[in-house]
Amino acid sequence: GENVEQHPSTLSVQEGDSAVIKCTYSDSASNYFPWYKQELGKRPQLIIDIRSNVGEKKDQRIAVTLNKTAKHFSLHITETQPEDSAVYFCAASIPGNQFYFGTGTSLTVIP
Amino acid sequence: NAGVMQNPRHLVRRRGQEARLRCSPMKGHSHVYWYRQLPEEGLKFMVYLQKENIIDESGMPKERFSAEFPKEGPSILRIQQVVRGDSAAYFCASSPHPTGEGEQYFGPGTRLTVT
Repeated sequence: GENVEQHPSTLSVQEGDSAVIKCTYSDSASNYFPWYKQELGKRPQLIIDIRSNVGEKKDQRIAVTLNKTAKHFSLHITETQPEDSAVYFCAASIPGNQFYFGTGTSLTVIP
Repeated sequence: NAGVMQNPRHLVRRRGQEARLRCSPMKGHSHVYWYRQLPEEGLKFMVYLQKENIIDESGMPKERFSAEFPKEGPSILRIQQVVRGDSAAYFCASSPHPTGEGEQYFGPGTRLTVT
């Protein structure tokens, strides 16, 4: 089955700096890669996603890049704000199969 | 369109009792996923169901755990003879698409405490 690894597990940045979280996957059949944000005690919520036929996608301060050859994808948050502090999960999915989640990155934005 | 609903939000059970967790997917969603999350840990896949069918239960323990998604009504995750190690947050998610074709929407979770 698919194996998704996520790094780093914790990340602290100063407000206004950028944050980058990286994930790798093992199965080339994976074709959909969402990123979820989970605030303490809340449900995970989708913040951005990318499909395997696209290399990059951007939504305001958030961007995701995908390298199919190397089987890795990354989340980029620019101009970080304290409200960006949360746990972020990457995931990869194989059609008709389950979603495989990374182990999460706890991001702290220091005011 | 109401979001994914889960109930109860909090559930306390003594060791040996049964726990029933309910998940009502969003309207029009026929795909349901259950996950378990321990404190400060990631989301562990348990089971993927489509109406009346179990598609993938590879993440579910072989004993004491079962799941269903009947033609009518919510999806149910059932844990028999609960033990302390079952204490966790259980999230369900639903999607109108098969896996790989779009996002899944998460419910608020059920926090199970086994005393």
